[in-house]
Amino acid sequence: EPEVTQTPSHQVTQMGQEVILRCVPISNHLYFYWYRQILGQKVEFLVSFYNNEISEKSEIFDDQFSVERPDGSNFTLKIRSTKLEDSAMYFCASSVGGEKTQYFGPGTRLLVL
Amino acid sequence: GDSVTQMEGPVTLSEEACLTINCTYTATGYPSLFWYVQYPGEGLQLLLKATKADDKGSNKGFEATYRKETTSFHLEKGSVQVSDSAVYFCALLDHNTDKLIFGTGTRLQVFP
Repeated sequence: EPEVTQTPSHQVTQMGQEVILRCVPISNHLYFYWYRQILGQKVEFLVSFYNNEISEKSEIFDDQFSVERPDGSNFTLKIRSTKLEDSAMYFCASSVGGEKTQYFGPGTRLLVL
Repeated sequence: GDSVTQMEGPVTLSEEACLTINCTYTATGYPSLFWYVQYPGEGLQLLLKATKADDKGSNKGFEATYRKETTSFHLEKGSVQVSDSAVYFCALLDHNTDKLIFGTGTRLQVFP
């Protein structure tokens, strides 16, 4: 069964450093998403992406964040200058169409020191 | 805005007990509703879904019925197993923004 994959599974970084989280969505899916879950809190929407542009973004997704689909398979989330409060589990998801079921990857646990 | 409210956890049960995890939602339109499960150390897995009123989603012995009149989508299972121990998230899909809105999650612990 096809699945969303994410790398790395864990990332530790120093405050102020840039990080790139990588995702490979399910191959025939066209809509891509990032969510995050701060420890003990709700899963929160960050951004959705379709047709090589952002469809929707939350207030969390400020200028420090960017997304990219650099090739036909990868979907990345970049945080330019990490803050302590960016420490969270980041989930990538994809769906075959808008308003369709979203399938999640296993997550990347990011720790900012 | 749209929101999802789930019962607080943890829910602690003995094996073969009945499970109900309450979920209610607030939405302006007619969202699709989902239950996702997160096993220890793993990501979010889709458990079941319902896309319109009175639909019943089911999977692995779990069921939930989309109740528009009570704006609820309670998760039920007749006989839980130790392997069901996980965190369960209720979520709605906002069709205007195509984003999932999650509840806080309910931890289920099942003991032999």
